[in-house]
Amino acid sequence: EAGVAQSPRYKIIEKRQSVAFWCNPISGHATLYWYQQILGQGPKLLIQFQNNGVVDDSQLPKDRFSAERLKGVDSTLKIQPAKLEDSAVYLCASSHSGGGGRETQYFGPGTRLLVL
Amino acid sequence: RKEVEQDPGPFNVPEGATVAFNCTYSNSASQSFFWYRQDCRKEPKLLMSVYSSGNEDGRFTAQLNRASQYISLLIRDSKLSDSATYLCVVIANTGNQFYFGTGTSLTVIP
Repeated sequence: EAGVAQSPRYKIIEKRQSVAFWCNPISGHATLYWYQQILGQGPKLLIQFQNNGVVDDSQLPKDRFSAERLKGVDSTLKIQPAKLEDSAVYLCASSHSGGGGRETQYFGPGTRLLVL
Repeated sequence: RKEVEQDPGPFNVPEGATVAFNCTYSNSASQSFFWYRQDCRKEPKLLMSVYSSGNEDGRFTAQLNRASQYISLLIRDSKLSDSATYLCVVIANTGNQFYFGTGTSLTVIP
């Protein structure tokens, strides 16, 4: 079974530029998550999709971050404009149904973003 | 107050040692708990779920203490390959939000 795919793996941009990340979850997984992991910290949930609907985006900085999952499969996360403090690893994860409980999340390899 | 708090360590232990990590959570209504392992520059991977009755998987034992609102992970007979960051995860009862701790760094020394 193919895992969660993410691209690009690395990205270096200057502040105030825009950047987009792509994620393709495990086939058949209804729930998709985007996390931000700053060095030395645990992952912080940015947004959670159930199929193509947003379940939770309470921690997404909506003035600069946006995400979509139009067809309920792959997803993009965009930052516009980027700030220095956005430097982090952006992890995408998916789970089968997202019903909480004992659902296992499977993570992609992440995109490492460096904002200069 | 953070949803989940962990001692970041680092824990440096010799091979064969027993080491334990604790993680506290603030929402008493939390229902599901997990330990994830994250190797350096890699993504987190599920290590084990934590059940109310406690559960064991080989050298790893996870326990939940609802009264004191903490979960623990015990690693016996540490191996060099156990060196990693261990993240505790709590799912809030509402909204199915996954809250990660900051992670505890473990280095097993030969």
